[in-house]
Amino acid sequence: NAGVMQNPRHLVRRRGQEARLRCSPMKGHSHVYWYRQLPEEGLKFMVYLQKENIIDESGMPKERFSAEFPKEGPSILRIQQVVRGDSAAYFCASSLQGAGTEAFFGQGTRLTVV
Amino acid sequence: QQQVKQSPQSLIVQKGGISIINCAYENTAFDYFPWYQQFPGKGPALLIAIRPDVSEKKEGRFTISFNKSAKQFSLHIMDSQPGDSATYFCAASNAGTASKLTFGTGTRLQVTL
Repeated sequence: NAGVMQNPRHLVRRRGQEARLRCSPMKGHSHVYWYRQLPEEGLKFMVYLQKENIIDESGMPKERFSAEFPKEGPSILRIQQVVRGDSAAYFCASSLQGAGTEAFFGQGTRLTVV
Repeated sequence: QQQVKQSPQSLIVQKGGISIINCAYENTAFDYFPWYQQFPGKGPALLIAIRPDVSEKKEGRFTISFNKSAKQFSLHIMDSQPGDSATYFCAASNAGTASKLTFGTGTRLQVTL
C-alpha cells in the first residue's frame, strides 16, 4: 500500500514562471491537505480539499496560489508567477476521513525559485 | 491565538539519556495534540498523540505529558538512541478538524554516542 506520493521531489523555477505540485493520496483517502515549510520553521497549513471541493483555504495566500483535487487524478497545488519568497518545502497529507483521523504526509516537494 | 510555541530549538542528549521537548498553546479550542518526527528530506511522521482527557500517554520509549490548566504539553524520549536524531514537531488542532494542524517551530534533536 503506497503512501502519499508527491512529485516532483525537487522543482526549480525562475521568477515569474508557474510551479505545479502534485499529490496522490493514499489509496482510499479522499481528504487532502497542503502545508508549506519554510527553512528552519514548522509546517503552516495552506488548504484542505475533498474530491472536487475546497473545504478550507484559510492558509492560502490570496493571490497566485490555487489548489484543486479533481474527481480523477492527483491534487494539484499551483503557484503562478513565482517569487523568491515562494521557495520552501510543500507537503501534502491525506486522511481517510476529515475529523478525528490521522493524516499521513508525503515526502514533500522542495521548490527553489531562482 | 493560533500559535504553538516549542522549545528548545535544538537539543543534544547522550545515548541512554532522556530527551524532553516542551510546547505551549493559547487556543483553548485545541483538543488534539500530536507529535511528529521528521528526518532530513522526509515528510513528518506521526509519533504519538494525546487528547486532553488524559494527563499522560506512553508508547514504548515515548511519553506525552499534558497539563490542561497550564496549556502545556511535552514529549519525553526515554533511553534516547542515535536513531532518534531528527527534528520533532509538536502540533495542535480541534477535534473537528484533526488534520488541520498548527505546528510548533520544531526541535532538532541530536543523540550522541
